[in-house]
Amino acid sequence: AQSVTQLGSHVSVSEGALVLLRCNYSSSVPPYLFWYVQYPNQGLQLLLKYTSAATLVKGINGFEAEFKKSETSFHLTKPSAHMSDAAEYFCAVSGALAQKLVFGQGTRLTINP
Amino acid sequence: GAVVSQHPSWVICKSGTSVKIECRSLDFQATTMFWYRQFPKQSLMLMATSNEGSKATYEQGVEKDKFLINHASLTLSTLTVTSAHPEDSSFYICSASSDQSSYNEQFFGPGTRLTVL
Repeated sequence: AQSVTQLGSHVSVSEGALVLLRCNYSSSVPPYLFWYVQYPNQGLQLLLKYTSAATLVKGINGFEAEFKKSETSFHLTKPSAHMSDAAEYFCAVSGALAQKLVFGQGTRLTINP
Repeated sequence: GAVVSQHPSWVICKSGTSVKIECRSLDFQATTMFWYRQFPKQSLMLMATSNEGSKATYEQGVEKDKFLINHASLTLSTLTVTSAHPEDSSFYICSASSDQSSYNEQFFGPGTRLTVL
C-alpha cells in the first residue's frame, strides 16, 4: 500500500524567495515519486519525477526535488519564486511508472509581490 | 509528443440524464487509461483503471453501474456517468500510459468539468 502526505495545504512566499513544498510518502515497494502542478480548471502538468536513478531530480521551471529514503521524503524546492508559480501542487507515488498514482492532498502556493 | 485530450471540456446536464466524456491519446497508443475525480479544492482520487479490450478495474467505493468505462481502442476511452445527480458534479481527469518505453508513464488530459443541475 502507498500513501502520500503533503505538509501544509497552503504555502505563501514572497516573489524571489525560496519555495519549499513538503511531501512524505509511505510505500511497501521501491517508490516512483512525482510532483505535478495544476492551474485553475486545468489538468496536471508533470514537474519532475524520481525513478530510482539520481536522488536529486531537476524538473521544469527551475524546480527540483530530493529523494531521501531515510526520511521518506521528496520535498520540492525552487530557489526564487516567480508570480507564475502560483498554483496547486500535488505530490504522488506509484509502484511503477505506468501504475496508478496515489496523490497527496495538494498544496496551494501563493506568491506575494 | 504524449498529448491526451478530453471532450467535452465542460458540460452541464439535468439530473437523471447520462453524460459521456471522451479521453483520447493523440500521438501514442495507450494500453492503459486511468480516470480520476477531483472535487473543488481537493486532491485527485482514482476511480478506475482500464486496459484496452478488457473490463475496467474500479476502485473501492466507485459504483460500476453508475460510472461506465469503455476502452475499446488504443487511443480512446470513455466515461459515461449514468443517471447523473448533483452530487456527481465534479472535475473528471483522465490519464493515459503505454507499454512503449517512451510513454511508460501517465500523461494527463486537461479535465472535464461536469455540472449536474
